[in-house]
Amino acid sequence: ELKVEQNPLFLSMQEGKNYTIYCNYSTTSDRLYWYRQDPGKSLESLFVLLSNGAVKQEGRLMASLDTKARLSTLHITAAVHDLSATYFCAVDIKRRSQGNLIFGKGTKLSVKP
Amino acid sequence: KAGVTQTPRYLIKTRGQQVTLSCSPISGHRSVSWYQQTPGQGLQFLFEYFSETQRNKGNFPGRFSGRQFSNSRSEMNVSTLELGDSALYLCASSLVLGGGETQYFGPGTRLLVL
Repeated sequence: ELKVEQNPLFLSMQEGKNYTIYCNYSTTSDRLYWYRQDPGKSLESLFVLLSNGAVKQEGRLMASLDTKARLSTLHITAAVHDLSATYFCAVDIKRRSQGNLIFGKGTKLSVKP
Repeated sequence: KAGVTQTPRYLIKTRGQQVTLSCSPISGHRSVSWYQQTPGQGLQFLFEYFSETQRNKGNFPGRFSGRQFSNSRSEMNVSTLELGDSALYLCASSLVLGGGETQYFGPGTRLLVL
């Protein structure tokens, strides 16, 4: 059974600081997704990582994927209050003709002034 | 391009009733997946449809069912509602099935079972 573990689950940061969220998964997959969810809202796609060594950046967020270590990271640079949200990583089960996402529990990020 | 739409957005039901939720995917998307989100269990996969066929199913009881129509719109049905079915139900669509495409999520239907 595929398991996806995120840590930390809760993260309180000060504005201007850097931090990294980790996402470990337990079985082979080379497709990993990061989503953001604001309170009471749906999921917003941030990054799609499709190969080993993939790195993508958007603004203050950078995501990377190491398929050999079964690890993805979401790095936050110089955090601002607008980044406060819950961040989910999700792994796509690698099966022919099937596709569904297994999500981590989410990391609730709070950025304080 | 319009996003994924879900109706209704909010729903209150009582135990034992049944409910039908609707999802319209992004135009041209043929794969529709359903997820349940609760504070305790997080986001859990329910099922996925592609070209009117259920291709994959999560670990939920048979009270949860779904279907997809020829225009790719999908419905999910929950019969004999239980208190634990209270959740945010999210629908997601993508262009293809299992192709590493981004899944785009709708706003969700928030179901409260009393």
